[in-house]
Amino acid sequence: DTGVSQNPRHKITKRGQNVTFRCDPISEHNRLYWYRQTLGQGPEFLTYFQNEAQLEKSRLLSDRFSAERPKGSFSTLEIQRTEQGDSAMYLCASSSPIPGQGAEYEQYFGPGTRLTVT
Amino acid sequence: AQKVTQAQTEISVVEKEDVTLDCVYETRDTTYYLFWYKQPPSGELVFLIRRNSFDEQNEISGRYSWNFQKSTSSFNFTITASQVVDSAVYFCALSEPFKAGKSTFGDGTTLTVKP
Repeated sequence: DTGVSQNPRHKITKRGQNVTFRCDPISEHNRLYWYRQTLGQGPEFLTYFQNEAQLEKSRLLSDRFSAERPKGSFSTLEIQRTEQGDSAMYLCASSSPIPGQGAEYEQYFGPGTRLTVT
Repeated sequence: AQKVTQAQTEISVVEKEDVTLDCVYETRDTTYYLFWYKQPPSGELVFLIRRNSFDEQNEISGRYSWNFQKSTSSFNFTITASQVVDSAVYFCALSEPFKAGKSTFGDGTTLTVKP
């Protein structure tokens, strides 16, 4: 399977605990995005990497959130001191480095990690 | 600021009916990209189509067709002869090429196709 993979698929945690999610993008894609999706809403942009560089962060990404992509391949998203409002689906997407008529902006999504904070 | 509006929250049709999902967008950029994604019950977003702002040609792919009208800032999606497997949430999205290509999504339209 050469698609985007995310682990774990589901995470239940107690308020105040730290959680970490992992995303493995499509191997030749150098761009990686994190989104958050709550019930009944579309995905909301959180942050973006080109290779290992984190180039943009949404103001939705509070200081409790941190994302890394240390070797330009997989990425991790950590949430510290989780709150009930953090309960959501966290989606990872990657896109191709090959420019051409917008193809580099086609984002391929993983299955997501569903976080429930109790 | 960019915005995507999908006014239809839910649509229900009977199999074989045609259905159109509306998408209206707002942007100040002259260059941008529009997308449609499908999110079936399994949850994974599936890319359907990309359209850039300079190409207003309509596109047809099998039972799917898209109508892009820059004058009305709309990018509507039509499914012809709908099938039960088309039941899903459909999202329209707008991407900013000069801002990392991040996408702004609408809130989606839930399509239910009944047999």
